[in-house]
Amino acid sequence: NAGVTQTPKFRILKIGQSMTLQCTQDMNHNYMYWYRQDPGMGLKLIYYSVGAGITDKGEVPNGYNVSRSTTEDFPLRLELAAPSQTSVYFCASRFTDGYNEQFFGPGTRLTVL
Amino acid sequence: GEDVEQSLFLSVREGDSSVINCTYTDSSSTYLYWYKQEPGAGLQLLTYIFSNMDMKQDQRLTVLLNKKDKHLSLRIADTQTGDSAIYFCAESSGNTGKLIFGQGTTLQVKP
Repeated sequence: NAGVTQTPKFRILKIGQSMTLQCTQDMNHNYMYWYRQDPGMGLKLIYYSVGAGITDKGEVPNGYNVSRSTTEDFPLRLELAAPSQTSVYFCASRFTDGYNEQFFGPGTRLTVL
Repeated sequence: GEDVEQSLFLSVREGDSSVINCTYTDSSSTYLYWYKQEPGAGLQLLTYIFSNMDMKQDQRLTVLLNKKDKHLSLRIADTQTGDSAIYFCAESSGNTGKLIFGQGTTLQVKP
C-alpha cells in the first residue's frame, strides 16, 4: 500500500491563480480530511468527508472547495489564491467507527506571491 | 470552541527524560493523541489514549491523562537525539474523527 499520497510536493502561485491539490489513499478509508499548517502552528481542519459524495466544512474553509466523487480521491481546490493561503497542506484518511488512526500524507508546501 | 494548548519549546540532555504537557478544553473529548513531526515531514502517530484511561505505556513513552484538569502529558524516557522533533497534542470527539491540534512543542535534545 502507498498509503496517503499528495501531489504536488511544492508549488508557487501568483495572487489570483487557481490550483487543485490532489490527495489519494489506497486503504479503502471512508473518512478523509484536509488540514493546513501555518508556520509555528498546529494543523487546522479545512474540510472533511465521511464518504463518497459527502463533504463538510472544518474550522477554516473560506477560499477552498472540495469534492469526493470516489472513495480514493479527495482533491482540494483553491479558486483565487491569496497570500494568506501560503501554508503546508496535509491530507489524511481513516476508517470509520471508534478509534482508528488517522494516516497523514507527506504534505504540499504552497507559497502564494 | 475547542482549544488545545501546549508549551512551545523544551530542551533536554540525551539520556534524560522529557515531559511534554498539553491542556484541552473539550470535556467530551473521546481520544487524545500525540503526533511527532520531523523537519519537512508529515505527522506520525506516536500514541493515543482513550478518555476513560489514566495512563498508557508504550516502550519509552508514557501518557498520563488527568481528565478532571483536562491535562495530558507525554513522557519520553531515555531521550535520544533522534527524538528531536515537534510534538503535537490533539483531541477528537464525536464520530467524524476531526482532530483539534495544539501549536506543537519543539523538543531539542542536546548530546
